[in-house]
Amino acid sequence: KAGVTQTPRYLIKTRGQQVTLSCSPISGHRSVSWYQQTPGQGLQFLFEYFSETQRNKGNFPGRFSGRQFSNSRSEMNVSTLELGDSALYLCASTPSRSTEAFFGQGTRLTVV
Amino acid sequence: DQQVKQNSPSLSVQEGRISILNCDYTNSMFDYFLWYKKYPAEGPTFLISISSIKDKNEDGRFTVFLNKSAKHLSLHIVPSQPGDSAVYFCAANTEYGNKLVFGAGTILRVKS
Repeated sequence: KAGVTQTPRYLIKTRGQQVTLSCSPISGHRSVSWYQQTPGQGLQFLFEYFSETQRNKGNFPGRFSGRQFSNSRSEMNVSTLELGDSALYLCASTPSRSTEAFFGQGTRLTVV
Repeated sequence: DQQVKQNSPSLSVQEGRISILNCDYTNSMFDYFLWYKKYPAEGPTFLISISSIKDKNEDGRFTVFLNKSAKHLSLHIVPSQPGDSAVYFCAANTEYGNKLVFGAGTILRVKS
């Protein structure tokens, strides 16, 4: 079974730009969550989507948004990028009736 | 507000001995706990989990103990191997949805 796939693996963007990250969950998993990892704040929850609906949301500004498609694939978007958005963005998928999240390799975003 | 705390930033253990990683939590609504292992620039890898209705769960060399009254859990790795060297994260979840709250992580170094 293929794991969680995130694309791209690396991105460099300029302040003020926007970015879209993609995540393909493990086949059959309907829950997709996004996390941000930075040296200062650690691993922080961004949001969770289940059956195309946002089910949980973390404490991030509205510049961070996401969506989920009918095939469970998910995207997250960050608008008006700031230097502090530089981080490893991780996507995780979870099977139904479980809380064991399986993570992708992450997308390393650098904002310059 | 750190709801999940890993108070030891690092731990060094001799190969073959036991590694004990600790985690404390404050939110009594947490009812599911997980341990993840992480290498730099990669996504966390799920190791083992425990439900709040149990006090122990074992999987091969990994055992997790939960003390609900003390709001404390620990991960025991026996015997420790050099390949276990990584950052270990404790995470907690409530029953609804998949919104993991992570601790800051503990760097484990297993010396051969």
